[in-house]
Amino acid sequence: ETGVTQTPRHLVMGMTNKKSLKCEQHLGHNAMYWYKQSAKKPLELMFVYNFKEQTENNSVPSRFSPECPNSSHLFLHLHTLQPEDSALYLCASSQELIEAGTHYNEQFFGPGTRLTVL
Amino acid sequence: AQKITQTQPGMFVQEKEAVTLDCTYDTSDQSYGLFWYKQPSSGEMIFLIYQGSYDEQNATEGRYSLNFQKARKSANLVISASQLGDSAMYFCAMREDSGYSTLTFGKGTMLLVSP
Repeated sequence: ETGVTQTPRHLVMGMTNKKSLKCEQHLGHNAMYWYKQSAKKPLELMFVYNFKEQTENNSVPSRFSPECPNSSHLFLHLHTLQPEDSALYLCASSQELIEAGTHYNEQFFGPGTRLTVL
Repeated sequence: AQKITQTQPGMFVQEKEAVTLDCTYDTSDQSYGLFWYKQPSSGEMIFLIYQGSYDEQNATEGRYSLNFQKARKSANLVISASQLGDSAMYFCAMREDSGYSTLTFGKGTMLLVSP
């Protein structure tokens, strides 16, 4: 496996279900991200993990719960979702400098999980 | 106010022609980076090109070049010699020095390349 992988690629769930999205990066990066992409809206950053510590949580509802057990894996646990949560969920990773500087490394994205909430 | 503005919802170009996708940005940071990504129908976001705010020359990567006009706060993507495989959504994104690790994306431009 190379790059960033995501499973499952497609997921249909009811509002009372509990499911998890999985992301794995094989690039040796130290930062991982969850994004939500809804129709006709820009990508929305949901969570950021740097060195396994969550550094950003952009006012995401508590029905989305991230988990980063190590620098290569990132999960997004879902429970009691709403139909408006249907979207493409993208995972990304990057190699971040220990100190912020003027050199920015690009984020590498996975193929996404297409989520439909019924 | 939007930080990244892409004013072209859709663009059409014929194969082998050049096309410019517009992007303007808004930031008060002196240090920032600008990125372009391509998203084919498969969904994966593919990194194309990067321009740093202190880079004096426009970035180029193969058929992609970035027309960076700092005073106008624009970072247009130029694709030369378009190919059918270039048909996709294209997103401009910015990373500000104050927004450590995070990218802000525009709404995207759908590019369709015809034979």
